Amino acid sequence: GAGVSQSPRYKVTKRGQDVALRCDPISGHVSLYWYRQALGQGPEFLTYFNYEAQQDKSGLPNDRFSAERPEGSISTLTIQRTEQRDSAMYRCASSLNEIAGVQNTGELFFGEGSRLTVL
Amino acid sequence: AQSVTQLDSHVSVSEGTPVLLRCNYSSSYSPSLFWYVQHPNKGLQLLLKYTSAATLVKGINGFEAEFKKSETSFHLTKPSAHMSDAAEYFCVVALRGSASKIIFGSGTRLSIRP
Repeated sequence: GAGVSQSPRYKVTKRGQDVALRCDPISGHVSLYWYRQALGQGPEFLTYFNYEAQQDKSGLPNDRFSAERPEGSISTLTIQRTEQRDSAMYRCASSLNEIAGVQNTGELFFGEGSRLTVL
Repeated sequence: AQSVTQLDSHVSVSEGTPVLLRCNYSSSYSPSLFWYVQHPNKGLQLLLKYTSAATLVKGINGFEAEFKKSETSFHLTKPSAHMSDAAEYFCVVALRGSASKIIFGSGTRLSIRP
């Protein structure tokens, strides 16, 4: 697509429910990143993929969080048994590839984010 | 370890006056530094980047930033503010060789007074 697309834009759920957040990166972009942004804070790294391979998941807060990108394009971030502290804006970004993208140009293309509210 | 500090959470200037958004970084290695802008209900957009070439970097919309190694700073400036500049600005430090070591500052909200 023309830009990074995230869905849903807004999600309200009850504590204990599972949620799945979807990211559709720019067509042809190899690298895909997930960030979490709390109110008044900058985005915080969660995990990233090159193609379908998850390269680093060190930013995932705990084992309730997982992400996949099975065909190297669309990615899903899943939060199981949600808690109120999970409420945040979840942002997805893509770059052409790791070498030409982040390392050398910093050109991360961000989606508009998915705002999650856990009641 | 690396980190980035944005010294002001909120800056307010009058339209037509200069803008200064301050950023200090800490990095064990030569960093790459960036400024991103976030308009309300929009995604983050790259404003400009420093990747070890010229220390004075020009970006979009008339913004520029100067890398000062001795001061470990990368302040963002613009000679004359425009109403459309009102947004949240993030300073970012990246450790080369590690795509995951991209650290965002906490952001500076820029308000423009008519």
